[in-house]
Amino acid sequence: AQTVTQSQPEMSVQEAETVTLSCTYDTSESDYYLFWYKQPPSRQMILVIRQEAYKQQNATENRFSVNFQKAAKSFSLKISDSQLGDAAMYFCAYRWGPGANNLFFGTGTRLTVIP
Amino acid sequence: EAQVTQNPRYLITVTGKKLTVTCSQNMNHEYMSWYRQDPGLGLRQIYYSMNVEVTDKGDVPEGYKVSRKEKRNFPLILESPSPNQTSLYFCASSLNPLQTQYFGPGTRLLVL
Repeated sequence: AQTVTQSQPEMSVQEAETVTLSCTYDTSESDYYLFWYKQPPSRQMILVIRQEAYKQQNATENRFSVNFQKAAKSFSLKISDSQLGDAAMYFCAYRWGPGANNLFFGTGTRLTVIP
Repeated sequence: EAQVTQNPRYLITVTGKKLTVTCSQNMNHEYMSWYRQDPGLGLRQIYYSMNVEVTDKGDVPEGYKVSRKEKRNFPLILESPSPNQTSLYFCASSLNPLQTQYFGPGTRLLVL
């Protein structure tokens, strides 16, 4: 069974500092996709970054980057130069094909940014 | 603007009163899904649709129905809502099974 685990229910970071959110997953598949979604107080689900498992290079989007360790089944999110607007719930998600019933979410990490 | 819309955004109802939450996307996506979000449980898939007239159960389908008569619309139907269906509901769509899912703004439902 595919599962996604986020072991940090809550994290905090000082403004302008760097924080890393952890995510591990369990799968027997070799080809899959990993995502980080952000959910601010508005409750909207916003895609932050995605990683294809077949790519060795870690994905980067501006201040957001991932550390993808395929052998360890680990997919952590690093937020650099944290801003107040980064405060939100962050969900790690895993997806594999070809069926549509295949997007699995972790339980989320609530990130607080301290001014 | 490419988006997924849901209506209503907030709904308070009573047990047993049928309701429908609409979902529409303007990106010509084939794949659409419904999720519910509950504290400590993350998002769980209710139903999904791979194309028009093709729907299937997700992880928590009990008490829900869906239909996909048009590509852009994927309504969620609660025939007889119960208090345990109080939750935050999200509709999502994607171009194909492996692509990024785009989420609607969410519908907060309270069943009394």
